[in-house]
Amino acid sequence: QSALTQPASVSGSPGQSITISCTGTSSDVGGYNYVSWYQQHPGKAPKLMIYDVSNRPSGVSNRFSGSKSGNTASLAISGLQAEDEADYYCSSYTSSTTPGVVFGGGTKLTVL
Amino acid sequence: EVQLVESGGGLVQPGGSLRLSCTASGFTFFSYEMNWVRQAPGKGLEWLSYISSSGSTIHYADSVKGRFTISRDNAKNTLFLQMNSLRAEDTAVYYCARDTPAAGNQFDYWGQGALVAVSS
Repeated sequence: QSALTQPASVSGSPGQSITISCTGTSSDVGGYNYVSWYQQHPGKAPKLMIYDVSNRPSGVSNRFSGSKSGNTASLAISGLQAEDEADYYCSSYTSSTTPGVVFGGGTKLTVL
Repeated sequence: EVQLVESGGGLVQPGGSLRLSCTASGFTFFSYEMNWVRQAPGKGLEWLSYISSSGSTIHYADSVKGRFTISRDNAKNTLFLQMNSLRAEDTAVYYCARDTPAAGNQFDYWGQGALVAVSS
């Protein structure tokens, strides 16, 4: 299973908005609405931020939103805050070789 | 409160074996599908294996197929990962993760991770 493609890093100032892209294929991102996004702070376990492309789990700020167009999914964060600085990973269900999950390589978000 | 606690990590020589456990609490373990995900030092997340709630359906990533075995004991609320023929590249933090009630292998709760180091 090949990894999904994410930018290595993005940055923004407090209060600004940023978007992180996640590009796959028709066997994963483009073929299923099972795209999720995870936030990971250093030394911590990942935290689910978005599931089913655009749904937020209870307790996740509405500053986080997800979308998808074709083979590319996106995570948008508005009103950047210092605590948003973290690594972000996308993932998707995949049927490419064996049913499973493929992750993106991760994006380091820096809040300037 | 949902909790997942991994145990069994440690240092092992190349070619050796190790069994990880993940003890669940705070939810009806037998109702949920479970997974193992790992993260090599300084690297990204890698999904390893999935097991259905009953244990009847199992999937593996190509990187561990034939070497790792996932299993569960619903009576003891515990998930396992038996790791054989370990290699240096298996060095990582290993997380157990619970599937959301929605379909599609998305993970709403994660353990704190267990460090596995493969070295001579």
